[in-house]
Amino acid sequence: GAVVSQHPSWVICKSGTSVKIECRSLDFQATTMFWYRQFPKQSLMLMATSNEGSKATYEQGVEKDKFLINHASLTLSTLTVTSAHPEDSSFYICSADPAGAGAKNIQYFGAGTRLSVL
Amino acid sequence: QKEVEQNSGPLSVPEGAIASLNCTYSDRVSQSFFWYRQYSGKSPELIMSIYSNGDKEDGRFTAQLNKASQYVSLLIRDSQPSDSATYLCAVPFGNEKLTFGTGTRLTIIP
Repeated sequence: GAVVSQHPSWVICKSGTSVKIECRSLDFQATTMFWYRQFPKQSLMLMATSNEGSKATYEQGVEKDKFLINHASLTLSTLTVTSAHPEDSSFYICSADPAGAGAKNIQYFGAGTRLSVL
Repeated sequence: QKEVEQNSGPLSVPEGAIASLNCTYSDRVSQSFFWYRQYSGKSPELIMSIYSNGDKEDGRFTAQLNKASQYVSLLIRDSQPSDSATYLCAVPFGNEKLTFGTGTRLTIIP
């Protein structure tokens, strides 16, 4: 149980284009999902908390107009990197919290998406 | 301030020995604690959770929690080269999202 699927696993795009990343909880409902970014040899950086049916909560310094988050159902959250630039190249990872099942703030991670912007 | 602190390492342990990873946290009221393993280039994987003081064992892994000292550790017995990874300690502060430590890089030497 507690499987989180993230797609695509890697993407290469041209500068200025937009990229959408999907995060799905396969065997549980996730009221809350999280989006992280990780640069090589650095720690996880939380970008935003995605709440089903409401606006995402962004961490300080994260541009909400650049990183659009939609959490339209209890099993799907999407992150769209708009007008991507080379400095957006990174490893993006989602996680889901199966809260409501006595999970005590556990997060299960997707496999991550490696984005390369040319 | 909400902090989770880990020694960044690298920690080198001979194969077959016990690897000991430590984590301290700043919030006295935290009730749940997690250890994640992250292989290079991969996403974190939950390997242990602990909620009560004392030890919790799962196979070769033992988590130890001391709430009075605000300290949680992970022991890996009979270390294998496949245990080489970065280990992340994570603690939710209050009822909020997890705060992750920066991780300890563990290398098991054959």
